[in-house]
Amino acid sequence: GQQVMQIPQYQHVQEGEDFTTYCNSSTTLSNIQWYKQRPGGHPVFLIQLVKSGEVKKQKRLTFQFGEAKKNSSLHITATQTTDVGTYFCAVGGGTSYGKLTFGQGTILTVHP
Amino acid sequence: DTEVTQTPKHLVMGMTNKKSLKCEQHMGHRAMYWYKQKAKKPPELMFVYSYEKLSINESVPSRFSPECPNSSLLNLHLHALQPEDSALYLCASSLGPINSPLHFGNGTRLTVT
Repeated sequence: GQQVMQIPQYQHVQEGEDFTTYCNSSTTLSNIQWYKQRPGGHPVFLIQLVKSGEVKKQKRLTFQFGEAKKNSSLHITATQTTDVGTYFCAVGGGTSYGKLTFGQGTILTVHP
Repeated sequence: DTEVTQTPKHLVMGMTNKKSLKCEQHMGHRAMYWYKQKAKKPPELMFVYSYEKLSINESVPSRFSPECPNSSLLNLHLHALQPEDSALYLCASSLGPINSPLHFGNGTRLTVT
């Protein structure tokens, strides 16, 4: 199935600083999804990107899909303590319908 | 709050026990999933049911047995587990099996002693 590399593994920021996590694939992706998991919680769907070069915004969060559809990023502007958690990208399995594979995740810590 | 309900929230079982995890959704979703998640790791896919039929088994040991009684319910039967099977077991559902966002339940925290 398709695999994706996610970096960094950990990110510590001061409240108010920006944060970015990246996902990279060696193959062209049909789409990519992003999830957030709060400490002790379950993954929650944030967004799905489908089109080449797509950029979507949700308040302070900006999601991008690369022109070649091989990479994606999630950028948070002016982090808040409520942004704490693990951010995962996830990619579909091509012909393996339903096989969604998660990246390793980026654990974000925000210091007040 | 989640629209996918999992029970129990916590489960401690011995290696000789038989137990079941339950998952329920009433969103009309036709794909349901079991994922296993270890601490500080991503969720790992175990099984996918599409339209109540098992469509993906990620080479999961037979001590884990999934069951989908109807389109709203998903069970995971556990038997003769090992301590390394201790993990958070997440159920998820999606509208369909292709490129649909997953809705996760709160999970069952399983400890095998």
